[in-house]
Amino acid sequence: DTEVTQTPKHLVMGMTNKKSLKCEQHMGHRAMYWYKQKAKKPPELMFVYSYEKLSINESVPSRFSPECPNSSLLNLHLHALQPEDSALYLCASSPQTGSTEAFFGQGTRLTVV
Amino acid sequence: KQEVTQIPAALSVPEGENLVLNCSFTDSAIYNLQWFRQDPGKGLTSLLLIQSSQREQTSGRLNASLDKSSGRSTLYIAASQPGDSATYLCAVIVSGGSNYKLTFGKGTLLTVNP
Repeated sequence: DTEVTQTPKHLVMGMTNKKSLKCEQHMGHRAMYWYKQKAKKPPELMFVYSYEKLSINESVPSRFSPECPNSSLLNLHLHALQPEDSALYLCASSPQTGSTEAFFGQGTRLTVV
Repeated sequence: KQEVTQIPAALSVPEGENLVLNCSFTDSAIYNLQWFRQDPGKGLTSLLLIQSSQREQTSGRLNASLDKSSGRSTLYIAASQPGDSATYLCAVIVSGGSNYKLTFGKGTLLTVNP
């Protein structure tokens, strides 16, 4: 099973809302990632979790708050977003050691209104 | 700072043609390189991972090569099919201590015409 599952697939939220994106993998991977992808652009790294600890934050605004409750789950909490935050949010995981092959979920299409 | 460039940005070919997509990177100190496929509005599907000690990897009609010293990788697709139409992304994997980061190129948009 090489599946990374993201929910929801689509999300529309107002600028005053609080919402969360969820990501789950059962491959035993110990590294998990959040990427943001705007239309016709490559994915841009936001956060990296390594063994459930935040190891990389690519200077992401505090209105995005990641959380890794356990080795299989990764959340991205959203609050007070701006319309320019509308994008495809991708979660990925990789084994951390040995093979570094990354597996991506299908993404959450976020629209901020 | 690592920069990844993919050429061409877009490619349109007739069905059955063999084709090559190119990827170059500025810093040869990479850990691995990975090719992905992305359909419109969808996530990324891993196609091939080439470890830095390898020269090439093959999967079905796909063959990827890596020349780390010159900072280049190619993805060869044999006997292209309309179902191959997608954006192909190259990502270099760099190691920072215990972390691995992927840096992506902007992709090549491939259209295979029936």
